[in-house]
Amino acid sequence: QVQLVQSGAEVRKPGSSVKVSCKASGGTFSSYPISWVRQAPGQGLEWMGGIIPFFGTANYAEKFQGRVTITADESTSTVYMELSSLRSEDTAVYYCAREKGVGVAGSDHWGQGTLVTVSS
Amino acid sequence: DIQMTQTPSTLSASVGDRVTITCRASQSISNWLAWYQQKPGKAPKLLIYMASSLESGVPSRFSGSGSGTEFTLTISSLQPDDFATYYCQQYNTYSGTFGQGTKVEIK
Repeated sequence: QVQLVQSGAEVRKPGSSVKVSCKASGGTFSSYPISWVRQAPGQGLEWMGGIIPFFGTANYAEKFQGRVTITADESTSTVYMELSSLRSEDTAVYYCAREKGVGVAGSDHWGQGTLVTVSS
Repeated sequence: DIQMTQTPSTLSASVGDRVTITCRASQSISNWLAWYQQKPGKAPKLLIYMASSLESGVPSRFSGSGSGTEFTLTISSLQPDDFATYYCQQYNTYSGTFGQGTKVEIK
């Protein structure tokens, strides 16, 4: 069965960067789109961007353009999300999610979430 | 980016009630829409994909409909386990905006 395991909680200072990993096991890695979604405390879900590991090219939400980088390492079945120029509003739980497939709307497998706290 | 407007933001209902949640897209997204359920402290759970297809293992009381810009999630008979927050998500090319969420509370 497919599992997505994310890296652990992080604490960062404003202006710094954070890199969160999402390691996939079970199933085929390269051909399934993986997205990053975040949720600030008490708030809704926010799509940040996604990547199809086979193609290696990521797409980003306009809000995060220039500040987020999503990459994939096929050799370790791991997707990374790096967010720079952190501010307090970036404090959130960050999830990776694997879509059911290219051309299918819906993510059926989710990581456990990684809490990123931005505080001076 | 495409904007998703989800209504209502909060819904109070009783066990056995029929519940409907609506999502409206700022432009046509065909049937590129999914619905999720989220409970506190948990990752979202996929309920409906491609606007109307029931995810495996999800009870048949959940159904989705719509295409273009108007979509609905219906729970035919609300059960105690259904009190949660529900989100729609559009999957247009290169983006995946969520609706604001609907919290279903006990009346």
